[in-house]
Amino acid sequence: AQSVAQPEDQVNVAEGNPLTVKCTYSVSGNPYLFWYVQYPNRGLQFLLKYITGDNLVKGSYGFEAEFNKSQTSFHLKKPSALVSDSALYFCAVRDTNAGKSTFGDGTTLTVKP
Amino acid sequence: NAGVTQTPKFQVLKTGQSMTLQCAQDMNHNSMYWYRQDPGMGLRLIYYSASEGTTDKGEVPNGYNVSRLNKREFSLRLESAAPSQTSVYFCASSAIPNTGELFFGEGSRLTVL
Repeated sequence: AQSVAQPEDQVNVAEGNPLTVKCTYSVSGNPYLFWYVQYPNRGLQFLLKYITGDNLVKGSYGFEAEFNKSQTSFHLKKPSALVSDSALYFCAVRDTNAGKSTFGDGTTLTVKP
Repeated sequence: NAGVTQTPKFQVLKTGQSMTLQCAQDMNHNSMYWYRQDPGMGLRLIYYSASEGTTDKGEVPNGYNVSRLNKREFSLRLESAAPSQTSVYFCASSAIPNTGELFFGEGSRLTVL
């Protein structure tokens, strides 16, 4: 069975500071990893994914994530946070044998001016 | 660009009533999914359809049925609604079952009294 853990329910950062939203995963095969963002009363929007290749993945709105196989982690990062980045962030995993994604419980990011 | 369209956006039911949530995508995607989102529990997969003509149970299928009507449409039916099915329901689609990111609809908020 595959699973995802987002250990922090809430992350607070000041505008202009770097941000990190943590994600660890467990799969039986090779992982396909995804980050999504959800704004209030909206559906989820895709940010970035790791399938294979370079461990540092760059995505939308200046976000990036680093795949670490030994630590089974896929943390989301941004060098300089914006107030508009405030939202709910979800990490998701699929293994190579399944077509379905498993989501973490989500992390609420609040960026204060 | 409509993407994934869900109807209705809001619905209130009484216990024991039935209803169908409709989902249609115009991106020619092969795979479609139904998730439910509850506070603090992330997204949980109800049913999915890897391709037209196939459907499979997800993590929480009890109390639900699905129909993949054609490549575009994937409906979710509640035969006898229960208060535990009060939730926000999201339909999603993906071009490629394993590596493709999910595209989500805007959600359907269902309340069962």
